[in-house]
Amino acid sequence: QVQLVQSGAEVKKPGASVKVSCKASGYTFTSYGISWVRQAPGQGLEWMGWISAYNGNTNYAQKLQGRVTMTTDTSTSTAYMELRSLRSDDTAVYYCARDLSTVTMTSGYWGQGTLVTVSS
Amino acid sequence: EIVLTQSPGTLSLSPGERATLSCRASQSVSSSYLAWYQQKPGQAPRLLIYGASSRATGIPDRFSGSGSGTDFTLTISRLEPEDFAVYYCQQPGTFGQGTKVEIK
Repeated sequence: QVQLVQSGAEVKKPGASVKVSCKASGYTFTSYGISWVRQAPGQGLEWMGWISAYNGNTNYAQKLQGRVTMTTDTSTSTAYMELRSLRSDDTAVYYCARDLSTVTMTSGYWGQGTLVTVSS
Repeated sequence: EIVLTQSPGTLSLSPGERATLSCRASQSVSSSYLAWYQQKPGQAPRLLIYGASSRATGIPDRFSGSGSGTDFTLTISRLEPEDFAVYYCQQPGTFGQGTKVEIK
């Protein structure tokens, strides 16, 4: 069965960076893209970007361009999301999600979420 | 950039009632990419509907999706206690702001 297991909660100071991992299992990692979505406390879902696990192509949300980098390690079937120059409003639960199929970016499978807290 | 606007913000209904949730796009979107998710407190979102009208694996048939162009609808024919949650529509790159379905 498809599983996405994310790394644990992080506490960071403003201006620091965070790197969240998402280890995939139960399918051929390179066949599907991975999206990253975040949710600030009490707020809705915000799409951050998408990466092809096949060739590493990325598509980032415009508001995060320059601060976010998404990568994959095919040898370990793991996707990563790094966010730099953290601010207090980056405090959120960060989710990775796998494409439902090879022809859609609809997120069919989700990780459990990683809470990132940015506080001085 | 396409903006998805969901209405109403909150829907107060009783178990057994019918729920109708709307998602309107600021410009025409492909039905192939319109999805609906359910989220309960403390949980990750769960895919309900993809391609505007196809139910995801394991989703009960009381959930149905319809629409095209700029107007899409999620209908829950008879609300079960476990259906009270927040629902989001999505097309690649953006989510609606969500509709909370609460117990009346």
